[in-house]
Amino acid sequence: EDKVVQSPLSLVVHEGDTVTLNCSYEVTNFRSLLWYKQEKKAPTFLFMLTSSGIEKKSGRLSSILDKKELFSILNITATQTGDSAIYLCAVINQAGTALIFGKGTTLSVSS
Amino acid sequence: NAGVTQTPKFQVLKTGQSMTLQCAQDMNHEYMSWYRQDPGMGLRLIHYSVGAGITDQGEVPNGYNVSRSTTEDFPLRLLSAAPSQTSVYFCASSYGGVGNTGELFFGEGSRLTVL
Repeated sequence: EDKVVQSPLSLVVHEGDTVTLNCSYEVTNFRSLLWYKQEKKAPTFLFMLTSSGIEKKSGRLSSILDKKELFSILNITATQTGDSAIYLCAVINQAGTALIFGKGTTLSVSS
Repeated sequence: NAGVTQTPKFQVLKTGQSMTLQCAQDMNHEYMSWYRQDPGMGLRLIHYSVGAGITDQGEVPNGYNVSRSTTEDFPLRLLSAAPSQTSVYFCASSYGGVGNTGELFFGEGSRLTVL
């Protein structure tokens, strides 16, 4: 059964801190792993990772995939209150027909 | 482009009532899907469609029906609402199928409460 497990489930940090969010997965016929950010409404796409060891970066956010150990991390440096959100990790299922999401990590950044 | 549009944004139903959540996209995406999001459960797939006339079940399809008569629209029908269907529902679409790009474009969600 395809599965995605995120940790921690919630996290509270102070502005300026660096955080690391974890995502481990089990899926047959791995294609891609994706990260989404969900603020008040719809999830929005952050990164898609297909190759092991290649870091994707966007500003203060970065992510890397380890296909051997079946996990990914999302790093956020110099956190801001605007980073407060639910961060969702997902993989494409075995059949290639849907995304399987983890339960998400709720990040709260206090000023 | 409006992207993915869901209506209504909020709805309160009584147990046993039926209703339809509407979803429309103007990006000419072949793939469309419905997810529900519950606290502590993440997003779970209800139904999906890879093109007009083709639908299939996801992880939690019971109590829901879908149809896809056009590329643009993918309505989700609740046949006889139950309190367990209280949730936030998201419609999402993708160009070329999620298996190719993985990137889904989400609507803003429909919050449904069943009393």
